Formats: sequence, C-alpha cells, structure tokens
Amino acid sequence: AQSVTQLDSQVPVFEEAPVELRCNYSSSVSVYLFWYVQYPNQGLQLLLKYLSGSTLVKGINGFEAEFNKSQTSFHLRKPSVHISDTAEYFCAVTFGSYQLTFGKGTKLSVIP
Amino acid sequence: EAGVAQSPRYKIIEKRQSVAFWCNPISGHATLYWYQQILGQGPKLLIQFQNNGVVDDSQLPKDRFSAERLKGVDSTLKIQPAKLEDSAVYLCASSFYKRADEQFFGPGTRLTVL
Repeated sequence: AQSVTQLDSQVPVFEEAPVELRCNYSSSVSVYLFWYVQYPNQGLQLLLKYLSGSTLVKGINGFEAEFNKSQTSFHLRKPSVHISDTAEYFCAVTFGSYQLTFGKGTKLSVIP
Repeated sequence: EAGVAQSPRYKIIEKRQSVAFWCNPISGHATLYWYQQILGQGPKLLIQFQNNGVVDDSQLPKDRFSAERLKGVDSTLKIQPAKLEDSAVYLCASSFYKRADEQFFGPGTRLTVL
C-alpha cells in the first residue's frame, strides 16, 4: 500500500539550533515529493519540491531536503531555526499520479 | 496576483444542519481541489474539478457532501446534514492544470459541528 509517514508529531528545538523533520514513504511507483508549511489559521505554502534531477533540493526560508530513493525518505532540514519557523510542516507525495497524499504533519516549536 | 479566496473563514453549526463553503480560485486556473483537514491529520482530497467537470470524487461522502463548479470558476462545497465528525478545516486549492507541483492553497474554512 502507498503511504506517507511523518515519524514525529511534535519537534521542539531551541532557536538557532539545527532541525530535521523526517518523512518516509512507501511506494512501488515513481514519486514526486513535497514539503508544505502551514502557519496558524493559514493555508498551506509550498516550501520545496523534488520532481527529478539533483536529490538535494533547496527551498524557501533556508530549508532544504534530500531525496533518498533507497531509504524511501525525504527529510527536511534547516541549519539554524528562527522563532518565525514555528509552524506545522507536511510532507506530501504523488504516487504515479498528479494527486497529493499528505502525511499527518509535524509541529515544529522553536524555543527562544 | 490575488491568491485563492475562501469564505467564510469560520463556521459553527449544530449537527444535522446544512452548511456551504465558497472558493474563488486564482484567475486562469482550470483545476480546483477541495480538501478536508481533520485536526491532527494531513489534508485529504475530497473532490477535484477540471474546468466545470469532476475529475475525481472518490473520497467525497456523497450521501451528505456535494460540490459544484458551474461556470468553471467559483466553486461551492455543501454538507447536508452535518455530523460531528465533519468538524475540520476545508481547504480549497487551484492549479493552472492538473499538476501536483503547482497547487496554490486558500486559507481554509474552519467548521465546528456541535
């Protein structure tokens, strides 16, 4: 079965520390991979995407993610977080189609 | 460029009542999506339109949910009658064509069913 798993529901991290939000997927077909951010009472905003090419993808706000096909992972990283990064982050995957399947989300809390 | 507009932003109703949500996509976007986001979960696609035709409504509970996009622009999602488990944020998204990498999301409508 095709699925998206975000392993951590909540991640607290101190300001200026690095962070990694994990995402794994299960699929037998080719995939496109995305990370979205959702600030309180707002819609989803695309952070970055992997469609093809280089497996290291850079996005907005200093975030990056690496596609690892052998481990079926697409973890999101930022070397130094800010208070303004406090939000919920969703990993999303297309499984051979153009429709998005979302993970359950990870709430990132940046502690001053 | 104006984004995806949704109204109302918040709605509280009693169970068994009806409710409607409105979405105005980005100008020129042919594809429109409605998602349901229950607290603690990721968004789930309910229905997808291409212009004014339905592309996929396989996850829409058709006994109580309906959606239309009569002129291929604005769309309305209706729930009748509402159940407690319908409490969620309803997100509308649009894209120029049916491409996953270019979906733009509205702010959502938060529905509370009491």
